[in-house]
Amino acid sequence: EDQVTQSPEALRLQEGESSSLNCSYTVSGLRGLFWYRQDPGKGPEFLFTLYSAGEEKEKERLKATLTKKESFLHITAPKPEDSATYLCAVDNFNKFYFGSGTKLNVKP
Amino acid sequence: SAVISQKPSRDICQRGTSLTIQCQVDSQVTMMFWYRQQPGQSLTLIATANQGSEATYESGFVIDKFPISRPNLTFSTLTVSNMSPEDSSIYLCSVVASRNTGELFFGEGSRLTVL
Repeated sequence: EDQVTQSPEALRLQEGESSSLNCSYTVSGLRGLFWYRQDPGKGPEFLFTLYSAGEEKEKERLKATLTKKESFLHITAPKPEDSATYLCAVDNFNKFYFGSGTKLNVKP
Repeated sequence: SAVISQKPSRDICQRGTSLTIQCQVDSQVTMMFWYRQQPGQSLTLIATANQGSEATYESGFVIDKFPISRPNLTFSTLTVSNMSPEDSSIYLCSVVASRNTGELFFGEGSRLTVL
C-alpha cells in the first residue's frame, strides 16, 4: 500500500538552530515528491518539487533533498517566521498521498 | 502556478443543513480536486471534479453527501449535505496547474464548523 510518513510530528527549535525534517515514502511509482508549508487556517503553500533521487532544491533557508526512499527538508538558521506545519506529498502517477506533517515551532 | 479563490472562507452551520463551497481558478485547468483536512490531521482526498462528467469519489465519500459540480474548466463547487459535527473541517480546492510538472496548488480553504 502506498503511504507517506513524516517525522518528527512536532519540532521545537531555537532561532538559528538548524535541523531536518524527514519524509519517508513507499509508493508503487514516483512521479514527484512535493513539499508544502501550511500556516494555521490557511491552505498549503507549494515549496518544492523533486523528481529523482539525488535531486536538491533550495529556497532561502530551506533545502529539500530526495533519495529513493525518503526526502529531507533541511532548515538552516531558522527564524520565528519559519514556524508552520510542513507537509510532504507523493504523486504515484495516479493520485497524491500526503503525510501527516511536521509542526515546526521556532522560538526567538 | 495558479490562483485559487474559495468562498466562503469560513462558516458556522447548524446540524442537518447543507453548505456549498465555491472554487474559482484564474486559468483553465483539467484536473480539480477537493480535499478535507480535519482538525490536526493531514489532507484526505474527497473527489476529483471532472469537467463534463460525474466526479470521481474516493473510498468513504459518496455523491449524496458531497455532491460536486464542474460546469467549466475554471470553476467547481462542493456541497456538504445534511451536516453533522463530524463534518467540521477545512475543505480545500486544489488544481494541477501544469501537466508537465504535476504540481498541486491549493486554495485558502473553507473552514466549516457544524454545531
